[in-house]
Amino acid sequence: GESVGLHLPTLSVQEGDNSIINCAYSNSASDYFIWYKQESGKGPQFIIDIRSNMDKRQGQRVTVLLNKTVKHLSLQIAATQPGDSAVYFCAERDSGTYKYIFGTGTRLKVLA
Amino acid sequence: ETGVTQSPTHLIKTRGQQVTLRCSSQSGHNTVSWYQQALGQGPQFIFQYYREEENGRGNFPPRFSGLQFPNYSSELNVNALELDDSALYLCASSLGVGDEKLFFGSGTQLSVL
Repeated sequence: GESVGLHLPTLSVQEGDNSIINCAYSNSASDYFIWYKQESGKGPQFIIDIRSNMDKRQGQRVTVLLNKTVKHLSLQIAATQPGDSAVYFCAERDSGTYKYIFGTGTRLKVLA
Repeated sequence: ETGVTQSPTHLIKTRGQQVTLRCSSQSGHNTVSWYQQALGQGPQFIFQYYREEENGRGNFPPRFSGLQFPNYSSELNVNALELDDSALYLCASSLGVGDEKLFFGSGTQLSVL
């Protein structure tokens, strides 16, 4: 069915370490994926995106990896900072309907 | 800031009442989508509006309805409120239907008592 799920609901990392947040998706027709960051009391904020014809994309301190074979998406955050503490969502877009499906989210806690 | 504004920020209603939530999209964006986010969950797609017409709907009953105006701002209306309608309602705008990036507002927190 339609679902985007996350393996780890809460991730705690030491400040300065790298973080990896994982996401599984189920829709083979998804052609585009986004990672969003949501802080308390705010709407989701765009972090990075990737199209289905790519397997890796890098931004500033963030990297998204896409493995279509196993329908897996990951977000890597380098040198994690206290300001990175938030809930992270992956979202997939269906290529036919343009409908986005969001996962439940992973809470990232950065320990000082 | 994304340039997407929503009002009100918080709202308390009682079961059976009706509510209207409002959204102003980012300048130049003609497509608006509405999402419901229950506590501890990811956003769930309600529907999308493109140039004043509904263009796609999620698994929500007809008592969830919407409008988009010529200036591309939008309203979400919910009739006969139920307790389970308590959630954060998010509006997102994009340049067009096929444009990938959604820019979200901060949402309206609706509590149904």
